[in-house]
Amino acid sequence: ILNVEQSPQSLHVQEGDSTNFTCSFPSSNFYALHWYRWETAKSPEALFVMTLNGDEKKKGRISATLNTKEGYSYLYIKGSQPEDSATYLCAFIPQQGGSEKLVFGKGMKLTVNP
Amino acid sequence: EPEVTQTPSHQVTQMGQEVILRCVPISNHLYFYWYRQILGQKVEFLVSFYNNEISEKSEIFDDQFSVERPDGSNFTLKIRSTKLEDSAMYFCASSWGSSGANVLTFGAGSRLTVL
Repeated sequence: ILNVEQSPQSLHVQEGDSTNFTCSFPSSNFYALHWYRWETAKSPEALFVMTLNGDEKKKGRISATLNTKEGYSYLYIKGSQPEDSATYLCAFIPQQGGSEKLVFGKGMKLTVNP
Repeated sequence: EPEVTQTPSHQVTQMGQEVILRCVPISNHLYFYWYRQILGQKVEFLVSFYNNEISEKSEIFDDQFSVERPDGSNFTLKIRSTKLEDSAMYFCASSWGSSGANVLTFGAGSRLTVL
């Protein structure tokens, strides 16, 4: 059974704090990793697709790194703002001969207080 | 910015009834998906669709479920005889290319409540 774990499950921070959270996935069977940002009552919004060990991606104040050998990805938010409040989902694609299936973690709910 | 639209946003149905959830993916996308999230659980894959046929399906996607792309724009999920455990938020998604290298664009979801 493929399992993707995210930690912490929830985080409350003050505006201006930087945050980071972890997504763990099976290292032996890696193909790609996706990060999504999901605000309540809206569509999950794509942040990154990461495929190569050592990948670093950046979008404004949000960045992500990937370690496929040890099976984790970090998502960083620099100087959190209230509008960053959302659930952040990671999703793993196993190396499985043409599989399109994303295996999601449970998500990390971020609340940024003004 | 192009978006994936889903209807209805919420549907309440009686157990045993048929339900059709509709999606309009982004027009130049080639890959189409249905995912669902049961309350409190992880988002889980149901089915992927490419080149007018199912390319992959999960063990959840049994004979009660079917998908269609009848007219080149809509992408529908049908549940033939709903069960209580089908209550969930159902998400449609599409992508231009394979999910190995391309992000998915999700709709806002259709909440299905089976009584």
